[in-house]
Amino acid sequence: DADVTQTPRNRITKTGKRIMLECSQTKGHDRMYWYRQDPGLGLRLIYYSFDVKDINKGEISDGYSVSRQAQAKFSLSLESAIPNQTALYFCATSAHSGRIDEQFFGPGTRLTVL
Amino acid sequence: GESVGLHLPTLSVQEGDNSIINCAYSNSASDYFIWYKQESGKGPQFIIDIRSNMDKRQGQRVTVLLNKTVKHLSLQIAATQPGDSAVYFCAESYGNNRLAFGKGNQVVVIP
Repeated sequence: DADVTQTPRNRITKTGKRIMLECSQTKGHDRMYWYRQDPGLGLRLIYYSFDVKDINKGEISDGYSVSRQAQAKFSLSLESAIPNQTALYFCATSAHSGRIDEQFFGPGTRLTVL
Repeated sequence: GESVGLHLPTLSVQEGDNSIINCAYSNSASDYFIWYKQESGKGPQFIIDIRSNMDKRQGQRVTVLLNKTVKHLSLQIAATQPGDSAVYFCAESYGNNRLAFGKGNQVVVIP
């Protein structure tokens, strides 16, 4: 969905490096989410934010942090990357007043930690 | 593109046939369910949703069935086309705009 963009699309890094993944949306949604996807495991929620002042941990937040710089921007950081953080990362957005719980996903960031 | 279909249950279906994809959900209190489609190299895309006060909902070529008694959800795709080849995820809402996703099912359409 072109309304939700993620940068970079691909990243290879080394163990111990700090990495930031960016997400921007033009949908005007107030809610944003970060997921990781691993083969055979589906999507798992890392962090979510319901507005600029709201940050919540998801089911697998250890090793990650987030920043909601503005309504349209939600970044995910890996403070010290490790190989088991190699995965596909997706950002998603939803509207408080829209179809309940429907989330719109970005194209994903493929992260490889060596 | 990235293959997220590795290690997933795979349904191979002949073009033009109907497809049925099944999903078991875990939380009997979930009141809203969504099916997403994920094509290779892309993020998940919404297909159809259903509330827990319904047992069937139809869209364009797709039907979702909900059986709350056994906590089972299915997606039926009529007249499957090559463009339907993808990984399909069910998701259940557990409140406050949060979704729990199933592991996914790979559909391969044979021309």
